This record gives sequence, C-alpha cells and structure tokens, in this order.
Amino acid sequence: AQSVSQHNHHVILSEAASLELGCNYSYGGTVNLFWYVQYPGQHLQLLLKYFSGDPLVKGIKGFEAEFIKSKFSFNLRKPSVQWSDTAEYFCAVTRNSGNTPLVFGKGTRLSVIA
Amino acid sequence: DTAVSQTPKYLVTQMGNDKSIKCEQNLGHDTMYWYKQDSKKFLKIMFSYNNKELIINETVPNRFSPKSPDKAHLNLHINSLELGDSAVYFCASSQGGTTAGNTIYFGEGSWLTVV
Repeated sequence: AQSVSQHNHHVILSEAASLELGCNYSYGGTVNLFWYVQYPGQHLQLLLKYFSGDPLVKGIKGFEAEFIKSKFSFNLRKPSVQWSDTAEYFCAVTRNSGNTPLVFGKGTRLSVIA
Repeated sequence: DTAVSQTPKYLVTQMGNDKSIKCEQNLGHDTMYWYKQDSKKFLKIMFSYNNKELIINETVPNRFSPKSPDKAHLNLHINSLELGDSAVYFCASSQGGTTAGNTIYFGEGSWLTVV
C-alpha cells in the first residue's frame, strides 16, 4: 500500500521567508499527487495537484510544487510567506488506477510570525 | 451554495449513544467519501461510494455504517459511541473516483466529541 511521509511536523517562519515543505511517497507506479491546506477551524482546500505533464505545478496563492519521480518527492514551495499562510498542509497521493483511496501524510503545521 | 455540506457541524454526546452525520453534495459528483481526522490531525479514509455502491471500506469498526440513499448523499451512522470515536469527520466528493487526478472536494467537517 502506498504511504506518504511529511518529515516536518511544525515549521515556524517569519513573514517574507521562503517555504519548502517536504513530501515523499512510497509507490513505484503512476501516481496522482496533491497538496491540501487546512486553515484553522476550516475544511481542506486544494492548493495544487499533479497527474501528468509538467512536473512543476503552480497552484493558488503563489504556491508551487515539483514532482521529482526519481526521488518519489512532491515538495511544496512558496518564495515569500504571509501571516495568512498559517495553516496545516497535507500532502496526498493516490495511484492512477482503479478506485484507490487518497492517502494523506500526517500534515505539517506552518506558523508564520510577523 | 456550499458544494459539500455536512450536518451537524458540532456534536457532543455520551458514550453508548447512536448518532448520525449527514452529507450532501451539489456538485453532481458520482463518488463520495468519509474521512476521519484524529486529534493529531491525521486524515484517514473510512468509506467511499461510487453511484451509491460501496467501493472502499477501510478497517473501520462495524459500529460505523454508511448509507447512500442517492448519488448526492452519503450519511454516516455510528452505533454505541466510544471515547475513541471523538474526531473530526469529513465528507468529500469527486467525479470519477480518484484516478486521472480528479480533485476531491471536502465538506467543512463535523466535530464529534464523545464524553
């Protein structure tokens, strides 16, 4: 079964700092990759996703992620964070075959301080 | 015009009770899901229905029973609630399951507290 690892449990950054959140998955086949964000007290919202084509994916709110197949990674980046980016970030993966469930990582809490 | 709506949003109940959480989506999707988010924020799939048919049933106690009266609704009924059932339950939907990068849209969550 596939699994997703997010190595950073809690990241604290100052406003305007650059962000990179790590995500690695364990599955050798074709996958679909997602980043979701959960703002405090709210539901999950899709930031971006990859399923084919350009491995550098741009999402909403200035976020981007790069799929590196050889490293089984899909790291999330943002060049300059804002206080409003404070949230929980979840990487998720599903196999591109059949009705396989979306498997989430354990999440990374991002705290942006002024 | 919320896309995926769940009720109730908050629920506090005693151990041993039976409760239901309702979910409706107005996106015209054919696949619906229930996810559980525990106190450590870990999200795990519980069930998935495609066109009212159960297609994913992860290791979940029999006390949890999903019901899909039609494609737009997926309700979750929980019998004999236990303290460990306290969590946030998210309903979600997508068109065409999870292949080909289909996006899953989540509801706002139902905060269940068992006391």
